[in-house]
Amino acid sequence: DQQVKQNSPSLSVQEGRISILNCDYTNSMFDYFLWYKKYPAEGPTFLISISSIKDKNEDGRFTVFLNKSAKHLSLHIVPSQPGDSAVYFCAASGSGGSNYKLTFGKGTLLTVNP
Amino acid sequence: EAGVAQSPRYKIIEKRQSVAFWCNPISGHATLYWYQQILGQGPKLLIQFQNNGVVDDSQLPKDRFSAERLKGVDSTLKIQPAKLEDSAVYLCASSPQGWDYGYTFGSGTRLTVV
Repeated sequence: DQQVKQNSPSLSVQEGRISILNCDYTNSMFDYFLWYKKYPAEGPTFLISISSIKDKNEDGRFTVFLNKSAKHLSLHIVPSQPGDSAVYFCAASGSGGSNYKLTFGKGTLLTVNP
Repeated sequence: EAGVAQSPRYKIIEKRQSVAFWCNPISGHATLYWYQQILGQGPKLLIQFQNNGVVDDSQLPKDRFSAERLKGVDSTLKIQPAKLEDSAVYLCASSPQGWDYGYTFGSGTRLTVV
């Protein structure tokens, strides 16, 4: 049972345009969401997060939107740069307290073409 | 600040053999995680330590996998005996004590079981 779903295995965009990566979740107990970026042969790197009490969080070129009623979140990258080419994982957690277990989606490979 | 160190980077073993992975977290980080990432999947939590105590090992196949974190610092993950389906990247991550979901991953150990 996949609780965090990234239905697009890959996405290709032109440099300078917007990249939109989508993520859906099924567990209504999730209350914190994160995006990780992963280059080949490296571990995932934390990118941006959002709490369920918010619907938007912005950090530079990266913005995450959360729609709790639809159980959907998205990551917007504007403008996209070739260095953004990587696998992006959506992750969620609902434990709070001292257990910060993350449930990950399968990832979306983003390719930004010059 | 030094990152999360893992060794070896790559390991190839035959099925039914044993293997061990080592992780040295960021200095002072109380929480340590081991994740398994099978090709094409997102990382899946195997075990979480808080200092040298286990917080969550619900997804650890305990008949063949074991992990320990002596003195609340370094950790080792062992597989004995290995199966073909254990081929994956094993990621170690750590975070400071307290509410911190954006934890830091190591580069991982890629295990191939033949």
